[in-house]
Amino acid sequence: DTAVSQTPKYLVTQMGNDKSIKCEQNLGHDTMYWYKQDSKKFLKIMFSYNNKELIINETVPNRFSPKSPDKAHLNLHINSLELGDSAVYFCATRGLAGYEQYFGPGTRLTVT
Amino acid sequence: SQELEQSPQSLIVQEGKNLTINCTSSKTLYGLYWYKQKYGEGLIFLMMLQKGGEEKSHEKITAKLDEKKQQSSLHITASQPSHAGIYLCGAPTSGTYKYIFGTGTRLKVLA
Repeated sequence: DTAVSQTPKYLVTQMGNDKSIKCEQNLGHDTMYWYKQDSKKFLKIMFSYNNKELIINETVPNRFSPKSPDKAHLNLHINSLELGDSAVYFCATRGLAGYEQYFGPGTRLTVT
Repeated sequence: SQELEQSPQSLIVQEGKNLTINCTSSKTLYGLYWYKQKYGEGLIFLMMLQKGGEEKSHEKITAKLDEKKQQSSLHITASQPSHAGIYLCGAPTSGTYKYIFGTGTRLKVLA
């Protein structure tokens, strides 16, 4: 069973479109994250939810809106996509015992 | 704000050689995690260090957190092609749920 899953794995879309990425975890963890990894492989935090409550909101354009319908899901909706949004987006959870994070496989978003 | 810098940025070694990757923090570390990423895949957790001077090993990979808790090193002994990938160090920031990550080290092992 996949611990942290994301859909879709690849997403190619045109500028101006609206798209969503979904994340699901079966680890029972309370805290979930969205990260963006750019072409230089820099991994930056975007959002974090703890028990469906937003606890971290980095300087991210308000075109990005996370939604957590329940503890096991954290989705990312992006409005009016721009070329600069092209990146790999990772969902992650925070372990219960320590501070380790468990990452999903990533969603490679390409905006043309 | 706290930053993690890794060195080297990239590394090409011959199979069987030993190598070391460093991760230096601009502030005291409250934990340091090493991850490996293969192309097109997510980050795989390798190991976690929390105490100054702590050293952990997994198969041929050893990681250490220095006593001052501002630097960690990852050492691979007798490297193999399966070790190739991007190695990232990560750390929680003090008192928050926020994590920061290093700049990454791209490792290539030549057979």
